[in-house]
Amino acid sequence: ELKVEQNPLFLSMQEGKNYTIYCNYSTTSDRLYWYRQDPGKSLESLFVLLSNGAVKQEGRLMASLDTKARLSTLHITAAVHDLSATYFCAVVIANAGGTSYGKLTFGQGTILTVHP
Amino acid sequence: DTEVTQTPKHLVMGMTNKKSLKCEQHMGHRAMYWYKQKAKKPPELMFVYSYEKLSINESVPSRFSPECPNSSLLNLHLHALQPEDSALYLCASSQTRRGSNQPQHFGDGTRLSIL
Repeated sequence: ELKVEQNPLFLSMQEGKNYTIYCNYSTTSDRLYWYRQDPGKSLESLFVLLSNGAVKQEGRLMASLDTKARLSTLHITAAVHDLSATYFCAVVIANAGGTSYGKLTFGQGTILTVHP
Repeated sequence: DTEVTQTPKHLVMGMTNKKSLKCEQHMGHRAMYWYKQKAKKPPELMFVYSYEKLSINESVPSRFSPECPNSSLLNLHLHALQPEDSALYLCASSQTRRGSNQPQHFGDGTRLSIL
């Protein structure tokens, strides 16, 4: 059974600081997803990481994937209040189709709060 | 605005009622999903449809009955629900063809309350 674990589960940051969220998964997978969810809202796709060593950046967020270690990181640079949300990583068990089709297993989520 | 549209946004129903949740997408995706999300928890997969056929049922109780009438629509029929079924129900869709690099796209969800 695929298990996906995030840490920390709660993260309180000051504006301007840097921090990293970690996502470990238990079974071989060739793709990992990061989503953001605001309270009472849907899940917004942030990053799709497809291969070992993949690194993607969007604004103050940077995600990376190490498939050998089964580890992904989401790095936050110079946090701002607008980044406050819950962040989920999610993994699909490797399939021959190489798509996001299939059972998406989520980590527990990291609730990020950025304070002035 | 999301490309996956869910209605209604909110639903309150009694345990003896029958209601349906609806989901629509026009991205040409041939896979559609229902997830259940409790407060402060991650989404949990309920059902997956591929090319209008049920491909995954995560041992969901029969009081939840999915239906995929065509490639753009996905319904979830509800009957005799329990208070513990109160949650946010999310619909998602994705491509199925080999090599697609797109994620699953989620709708805004239906917040369901069972009285």
